[in-house]
Amino acid sequence: GAVVSQHPSRVICKSGTSVKIECRSLDFQATTMFWYRQFPKQSLMLMATSNEGSKATYEQGVEKDKFLINHASLTLSTLTVTSAHPEDSSFYICSASWDGGHQETQYFGPGTRLLVL
Amino acid sequence: QKEVEQNSGPLSVPEGAIASLNCTYSDRVSQSFFWYRQYSGKSPELIMSIYSNGDKEDGRFTAQLNKASQYVSLLIRDSQPSDSATYLCAVKRAGSYQLTFGKGTKLSVIP
Repeated sequence: GAVVSQHPSRVICKSGTSVKIECRSLDFQATTMFWYRQFPKQSLMLMATSNEGSKATYEQGVEKDKFLINHASLTLSTLTVTSAHPEDSSFYICSASWDGGHQETQYFGPGTRLLVL
Repeated sequence: QKEVEQNSGPLSVPEGAIASLNCTYSDRVSQSFFWYRQYSGKSPELIMSIYSNGDKEDGRFTAQLNKASQYVSLLIRDSQPSDSATYLCAVKRAGSYQLTFGKGTKLSVIP
């Protein structure tokens, strides 16, 4: 149980384009989803927290107009990187949890590797 | 600032030995504690969670929590080369959904 999927697993795009990443909870309803970014040899950095049906809460330093998050249903959250630039190249990972789960454990998706040329 | 500290390693142990991974945290109201394993190029995978003082065992893994010392550890018995990965300690405070991660300890199990 507690499976989280992400799509796509890898994307290469040109500078200036927008990229959408989907995160789905496959066997549970995720009341809360999280988006992280991880640069090589560094730890996970939380970008934002989203609850179904409400606006995402962004961490300090994360531009909400650049990283658009939509959590329209209890099984789907999307992250759109708008006007991507090479410095946005990173490993983007979502996680999901649910109220009443094991102390709100977070289960991670497999990640999306973004390369902006 | 809420911090979770881990020795970055690498920690090298021979195959079959016990690997001991340590983590300290600064926020006294931390409630839940997690160990994740992350292979290179992959996302984190939950290994263990612990919420009460003492030991919690699951197969070859044992998590130990001491809230008074603000210390949590993970022991891996009979270490295997497949255990070679970065181990992330994560802490959640009461009333919050967010996890605070340490930077991870890289473990290398030598055949």
